[in-house]
Amino acid sequence: EVQLLESGGGLVQPGGSLRLSCAASGIMFSSHGMYWVRQAPGKGLQWVSVISASGGITFYTDSVEGRFTMSRDNSRNTLYLQMNSLRAEDTAIYYCAKDIGIVGSPARAFDIWGQGTMVTVSS
Amino acid sequence: QSALTQPPSASGSPGQSVTISCTGTSSDVGGHNYVSWYQQHPGKAPKLMTYEVSKRPSGVPDRFSGSKSGNTASLTVSGLQAEDEADYYCSSYAGGNNYVIFGGGTTLTVL
Repeated sequence: EVQLLESGGGLVQPGGSLRLSCAASGIMFSSHGMYWVRQAPGKGLQWVSVISASGGITFYTDSVEGRFTMSRDNSRNTLYLQMNSLRAEDTAIYYCAKDIGIVGSPARAFDIWGQGTMVTVSS
Repeated sequence: QSALTQPPSASGSPGQSVTISCTGTSSDVGGHNYVSWYQQHPGKAPKLMTYEVSKRPSGVPDRFSGSKSGNTASLTVSGLQAEDEADYYCSSYAGGNNYVIFGGGTTLTVL
């Protein structure tokens, strides 16, 4: 079964850290760029970060640059998001998602999504 | 980078067609053919409906079609069905630290 399964969310105080994981199954994980997308309660979707199939290239939205680090372990079919210096405005459901395109031909479109993990930043 | 502009709401009766617009700039929608549309039902993860402007992933009905003209992309839903009632988001590649930007979302109501 094709599946992405996030974990690691929870309640954290402002300034704290969390590490999200996303375990992939049923896909050629190392052949696809991967993404994190978040959705604040009652709000729309926001792209957070992207990592290339090999893991050598990453980009981040400006509001998380320098605080979040995205990585992947292709031997474990797992994606990570290390989140430091968390702020209230980072409160959201965090989804990992797979690019429908393959390495060398990314489509910048997300065909497989996880169920999401909730991150709440509050004192 | 500002979000892409979508109407907050749209509606239609069963069997009718409805079109949702998504307006960007020459740096995103108008400059690339990496425009996608997503459907999201309450409490669920988004679902990819179209990508690269007009391609449909396997399993998406051909009632859903995407198009683009200049800086504006559109999603047309033909033969509206009750299960089409959901939020719809467009997205576009914009490069660098604005790698992907989303629209604010459109709530589609089937009357």
